[in-house]
Amino acid sequence: QQQVKQSPQSLIVQKGGISIINCAYENTAFDYFPWYQQFPGKGPALLIAIRPDVSEKKEGRFTISFNKSAKQFSLHIMDSQPGDSATYFCAASRNYGGSQGNLIFGKGTKLSVKP
Amino acid sequence: NAGVTQTPKFQVLKTGQSMTLQCAQDMNHEYMSWYRQDPGMGLRLIHYSVGAGITDQGEVPNGYNVSRSTTEDFPLRLLSAAPSQTSVYFCASSTRLAGEQFFGPGTRLTVL
Repeated sequence: QQQVKQSPQSLIVQKGGISIINCAYENTAFDYFPWYQQFPGKGPALLIAIRPDVSEKKEGRFTISFNKSAKQFSLHIMDSQPGDSATYFCAASRNYGGSQGNLIFGKGTKLSVKP
Repeated sequence: NAGVTQTPKFQVLKTGQSMTLQCAQDMNHEYMSWYRQDPGMGLRLIHYSVGAGITDQGEVPNGYNVSRSTTEDFPLRLLSAAPSQTSVYFCASSTRLAGEQFFGPGTRLTVL
């Protein structure tokens, strides 16, 4: 049972363009939505995360947009650079409150930024 | 700080062989997890531990065994390797169950 659906599976963007990756979740109890970035041959690393009490969080060129009613969240990479070429995973979990759960990861998006 | 370390980096096994993937962390994290990564499948949780002596199953635990005798170490055992276990395995540690996961560099395992 896949609880976090991620799209697209792959994405090609020109340098300077905007990369957008979308995720949808099913469990309304989820209260923590991180994005992980993975370069080839490396382990994933936390990029940015959001809680459902805000609709947007920005860190540099990376922004998470969150739509609680639609149960969707997305990662926007502004001014995409070749160095952003990596695989991106969204995830969701119950991280706060009395009952914590494990992270549920999406299947990943391979981003290629062309010079 | 070395962070999360994993050995070996690469391993080839024959069907039926057993082996242990090693994982260690020096951040004094309470939580440790094992994931496998397969093309198009994302990261799937195999087993996790919420502290020394306490382990639990994740999404895909069959064919794997774990133990946690110390805070630092969390080895993953394959008792009888199968081709379906060909994958890249990542160990991770964190201060909360679903908090920021600090991943190791991974072990690429091929089972022939």
